Amino acid sequence: GNSVTQMEGPVTLSEEAFLTINCTYTATGYPSLFWYVQYPGEGLQLLLKATKADDKGSNKGFEATYRKETTSFHLEKGSVQVSDSAVYFCALSGAAAGNKLTFGGGTRVLVKP
Amino acid sequence: GAGVSQSPSNKVTEKGKDVELRCDPISGHTALYWYRQSLGQGLEFLIYFQGNSAPDKSGLPSDRFSAERTGGSVSTLTIQRTQQEDSAVYLCASSPLGGSTEAFFGQGTRLTVV
Repeated sequence: GNSVTQMEGPVTLSEEAFLTINCTYTATGYPSLFWYVQYPGEGLQLLLKATKADDKGSNKGFEATYRKETTSFHLEKGSVQVSDSAVYFCALSGAAAGNKLTFGGGTRVLVKP
Repeated sequence: GAGVSQSPSNKVTEKGKDVELRCDPISGHTALYWYRQSLGQGLEFLIYFQGNSAPDKSGLPSDRFSAERTGGSVSTLTIQRTQQEDSAVYLCASSPLGGSTEAFFGQGTRLTVV
């Protein structure tokens, strides 16, 4: 079945540092890939997505590129802010699994001033 | 418009009691998901409804858990004979079509079994 693996946290960074959160997946066919974010005290919300190979999703300075050859969808941001402190979840959805949304374990990111 | 609404927001129950958790999805969304998030843990898939198709119940942890979705809208997750390990935040999400469409999450129901 489908699965998502992402790096364990917590990840602690200083403001303006470069952030990478690794995400790899296992799926049949061509799934859509997502990053969701959960800010402290808030509900999960979509950060960005990509629906086919080589697509790049971007939002709020974050980017992730759908790499089918390496089955990866790593999240990056060039200069983080304290307000980026949150838990980030990689996810996929594929027709081969009935379009169920499958999440990775989440990565907690803490940005210090 | 209104987002995904879950009730109650908090529920404390005694071990062995039954509980019902409610989810009102965004109007018109055909896909509805239930997940469980334990403290410091990731999202555990429970059940997925898509239109009139048979639900994907593959994530329900035991036969004490069940869910239904009436009229393609409101969903209720029922936990019978609750156990302490059932304590978690139960999240509901809906999406227009499932698949590549964005899922919108409710604020969750925090369940505490004492």
